[in-house]
Amino acid sequence: EVQLEESGGGLVQPGGSLRLSCVVSGFTFSNSFMSWVRQAPGKGPEWVAGIFISGTTADYADSVKGRFTISRDNSKNTLYLQMNSLRAEDTALYFCVPYSTSSGWLDPWGQGTLVTVSS
Amino acid sequence: DIQMTQFPSSVSASVGDRVTITCRASQDIKHWVTWYQQRPGKAPKVLIYAASILQSGVPSRFSGSGSGTDFTLTISTLQSEDSATYYCQQANSYPLTFGPGTKVDLK
Repeated sequence: EVQLEESGGGLVQPGGSLRLSCVVSGFTFSNSFMSWVRQAPGKGPEWVAGIFISGTTADYADSVKGRFTISRDNSKNTLYLQMNSLRAEDTALYFCVPYSTSSGWLDPWGQGTLVTVSS
Repeated sequence: DIQMTQFPSSVSASVGDRVTITCRASQDIKHWVTWYQQRPGKAPKVLIYAASILQSGVPSRFSGSGSGTDFTLTISTLQSEDSATYYCQQANSYPLTFGPGTKVDLK
């Protein structure tokens, strides 16, 4: 069974930083393109960042480029998202999701970790 | 970035009705569209990928069609459990982008 366990969310002040982690099991993490997707309260999903298998190539949504960094440790089956210079509009539930490059789907989704940016 | 639009933004229909949701991409994305269903308090679930391929385990009343810039998701016979928000997502290029969603309510 595929499991994705996100952690690291919480309440942070504007301008602050957080590091999210996602430990995965049940599939070959080292062979999977991984993404972070967020969903603000009452809004649709927004793809935030993705990282290729090697870990050396990543892509970002314009809204987070230069502030967020995605990384992975294939030896630990763990995905990370370093979030700096956080803004109120970054408040959302953050999901780590495998992305199938051959089929174009993001699946499965975990429970997510909630990030709240507020003073 | 590729922009995805959806319409209608919401639809109210009765059990047994046929419901059609349209998604439009800002440029040619060939067949690279995925459709998701999201029920309240739950994570999105894949219904259709590559525009028209039904994900395993998804009821056959769901179908997808289209190519290029225009795509549709059809629920042939609406069931009560289909009350949810539906999103399209383009998989043609990064950054991946989603449509704003269509909320389907039951009358």
